[in-house]
Amino acid sequence: DAMVIQNPRYQVTQFGKPVTLSCSQTLNHNVMYWYQQKSSQAPKLLFHYYDKDFNNEADTPDNFQSRRPNTSFCFLDIRSPGLGDAAMYLCATSRDVARRADTQYFGPGTRLTVL
Amino acid sequence: LAKTTQPISMDSYEGQEVNITCSHNNIATNDYITWYQQFPSQGPRFIIQGYKTKVTNEVASLFIPADRKSSTLSLPRVSLSDTAVYYCLVAAGANNLFFGTGTRLTVIP
Repeated sequence: DAMVIQNPRYQVTQFGKPVTLSCSQTLNHNVMYWYQQKSSQAPKLLFHYYDKDFNNEADTPDNFQSRRPNTSFCFLDIRSPGLGDAAMYLCATSRDVARRADTQYFGPGTRLTVL
Repeated sequence: LAKTTQPISMDSYEGQEVNITCSHNNIATNDYITWYQQFPSQGPRFIIQGYKTKVTNEVASLFIPADRKSSTLSLPRVSLSDTAVYYCLVAAGANNLFFGTGTRLTVIP
């Protein structure tokens, strides 16, 4: 089945130790998104890629970076995780951001714990 | 400024119809209205999307009045498995992708 896959599902890191979260998709969608979702809160968009074009949200901290080496894969790098970065990180895809009615397909998420 | 406003929580008995309303007073001309469902420890899942009037699919209906300043998600005959958080999202493409607070629906046996 075509889908959005996130690895790992659970990640534990130490305060200040860099961590990378991975997302892959078999939908061949042009757009990939990264969201942060803290407990009992709504998902918050960090950034998205439209093909190779990176779009950062204005309030996303510099501590968060992303890479998209090809259509299928996208990575979220947290350079120096703080306790406040503990959250569920959701990857999503959509076919084409230029289409006004663009449905997003979400992965299962990676739950990050910072010790 | 929040783009959407929803009730924080709702309870319903099994078999009843549930209507969840979302207010979006500042909706832009190009914005579409999309509803997502999220279960604990899972990513949101698309339910339904519309621009105006009424849209119906196999799981829900979406009612949008002419002024488009609100929308109502209607779930017919809910079951226990419909217990989830429901998000209303108003956006055009990837612009201003803000999920609202969401509505936590609890279905009671």
